[in-house]
Amino acid sequence: QKEVEQDPGPLSVPEGAIVSLNCTYSNSAFQYFMWYRQYSRKGPELLMYTYSSGNKEDGRFTAQVDKSSKYISLFIRDSQPSDSATYLCAMTPPGNDKIIFGKGTRLHILP
Amino acid sequence: DTAVSQTPKYLVTQMGNDKSIKCEQNLGHDTMYWYKQDSKKFLKIMFSYNNKELIINETVPNRFSPKSPDKAHLNLHINSLELGDSAVYFCASSPQQGLGGYTFGSGTRLTVV
Repeated sequence: QKEVEQDPGPLSVPEGAIVSLNCTYSNSAFQYFMWYRQYSRKGPELLMYTYSSGNKEDGRFTAQVDKSSKYISLFIRDSQPSDSATYLCAMTPPGNDKIIFGKGTRLHILP
Repeated sequence: DTAVSQTPKYLVTQMGNDKSIKCEQNLGHDTMYWYKQDSKKFLKIMFSYNNKELIINETVPNRFSPKSPDKAHLNLHINSLELGDSAVYFCASSPQQGLGGYTFGSGTRLTVV
């Protein structure tokens, strides 16, 4: 089993819909969880950074971590065409510099 | 005012050649990284340096040699390039070791022919 699993998509949703992106992981030592957004031919850009279980909200984005299920989610409300990108989950144990990335989910928001 | 800048953006070269990719960050971060993103978009760490000291050296062929002349620069030299080295190489930095809030450069697309 890979350390981090993420459905590659593509996922197509109409503009204005709520988007749910998910990752599962196998290493219970992971404690820092991140979501990155990557536009085509660009570098990944940090969207959300959370520590331990719970929810964190930033504008239209909500990151959710369920450590008991080893499951993390990113919700995008009122999705816009500009949200069309690849979304990568990432995680690391505390004090460890080696971030493990998921393979990314390609998201298309249809106008 | 680019935070993490890499040069060149594109690199097309023949098998067997030696090439270098340069990276500079103006964020004052202590830690810098090289990541490789393959054709399936999988992003995998290659090296990390903290204040010029090598911290992470993943299972990477020794044809790849990073060099950090100071904490704002991390270059990647690749000897005897192979077809399988074709990928996008990303440089990144973070404020300190163990914090995952990376800032990535826009990547160097390497094509070996």
